[in-house]
Amino acid sequence: DIVMTQSPDSQAVSLGERATINCKSSQSVLYSSNNRNYLAWYQQKPGQPPKLLIYWAFTRKSGVPDRFSGSGSGTDFTLTISSLQAEDVAVYYCQQSYSTPPTFGQGTKVEIK
Amino acid sequence: EMLLVQSGGGLVQPGGSLRLSCAASKFTFSEYAMNWVRQAPGKGLEWVSSISGGGDSPYYADSVKGRFTISRDNSKNTLYLQMDSLRVEDTAVYYCARGVPPAGEFDYWGPGTLVAVSS
Repeated sequence: DIVMTQSPDSQAVSLGERATINCKSSQSVLYSSNNRNYLAWYQQKPGQPPKLLIYWAFTRKSGVPDRFSGSGSGTDFTLTISSLQAEDVAVYYCQQSYSTPPTFGQGTKVEIK
Repeated sequence: EMLLVQSGGGLVQPGGSLRLSCAASKFTFSEYAMNWVRQAPGKGLEWVSSISGGGDSPYYADSVKGRFTISRDNSKNTLYLQMDSLRVEDTAVYYCARGVPPAGEFDYWGPGTLVAVSS
């Protein structure tokens, strides 16, 4: 199984400041036939199901604010919230769908400082 | 907007059984793989099982293999998870989620249903 490791486990950021979450996979999730990374990011608020933010490592799902961006390739990925808003307080998960079983990182909690 | 409505959770004793359902609407159900993902209280997300659009390719996490059975009825736009020989460690909120080809990320999720296994 591919192990996904996120860092940090939690992060306190001031409103309007940048939040950065890292995700590392134990093996590459870059699919060579289409040159796409099978890496997604989700946001989960308390009492709610997860919400897909980004897929293919950097493609924002329709309706996701552009302050959310994804980057990286191969085994190292980053989710950046460029200007933290109060409604962004949540736990964020990365997930690989390169191979079965699909696996998630342990989650990163983002709070307001 | 796409909708997934879940039912079937509850409290069950160890060794018991439950069947979860996930009714889909406003998309062509048979064209998408579907998944079950669970979240134990205060913990992260764990994929449980998936099934192809045609229903002929089920996959399971090792933790549930041989005890859980995923199925779907495309005529009813409904996904199921039959859970047998339940253990205390199966206690979690169970979500159904749609998988998007080709990568399989989960673009829509049901609201979740709580399964509590306790004596």
